[in-house]
Amino acid sequence: AQSVTQLGSHVSVSEGALVLLRCNYSSSVPPYLFWYVQYPNQGLQLLLKYTSAATLVKGINGFEAEFKKSETSFHLTKPSAHMSDAAEYFCAVSPLTGNQFYFGTGTSLTVIP
Amino acid sequence: ETGVTQSPTHLIKTRGQQVTLRCSSQSGHNTVSWYQQALGQGPQFIFQYYREEENGRGNFPPRFSGLQFPNYSSELNVNALELDDSALYLCASSSNLAGQETQYFGPGTRLLVL
Repeated sequence: AQSVTQLGSHVSVSEGALVLLRCNYSSSVPPYLFWYVQYPNQGLQLLLKYTSAATLVKGINGFEAEFKKSETSFHLTKPSAHMSDAAEYFCAVSPLTGNQFYFGTGTSLTVIP
Repeated sequence: ETGVTQSPTHLIKTRGQQVTLRCSSQSGHNTVSWYQQALGQGPQFIFQYYREEENGRGNFPPRFSGLQFPNYSSELNVNALELDDSALYLCASSSNLAGQETQYFGPGTRLLVL
């Protein structure tokens, strides 16, 4: 069974500081992994995805994530937080076939001016 | 602009009623997935349709049902509504069933059951 765990339901950072949002997956076979962002009262927008091509994945808005098989992790980072990054972030896993996503419980990011 | 649209945006129903939510997938996409997102939670997979056939179902009771039409638009039907069905319902489309395919989400329908 596929599942993801997002450690830290709430993360606060100062504007300009490093953003680190954690995601660990549980799967016997490395799955495909995705990070989505959700702004208030909106749907989900794709930030980036891992599809086994490269372990370091760059996404939109300066975000990137590194797939580490040994740690079963896919943490999301951004070197310098911006006020507009305040949102809910979700990590999701998809099996190798079927395109059925399983989401973590989300991390709410607050950026302090 | 993802191209996935959902209607209505908001809906209020009473317990025991039935509801139909609609989704238009992005052009060229033949796969539609539905998710339920309760307040403060991540989206939970309800079911998926591929070329008008159900292609997988999450842990939801049979009173949650769906359809996909020849134009690949989709409906989610919920019978005998319960208070716990209050949530944001998200539709997502993708171009095929491959695991690495991105799902593009609509803005959701917010359902309140009183």
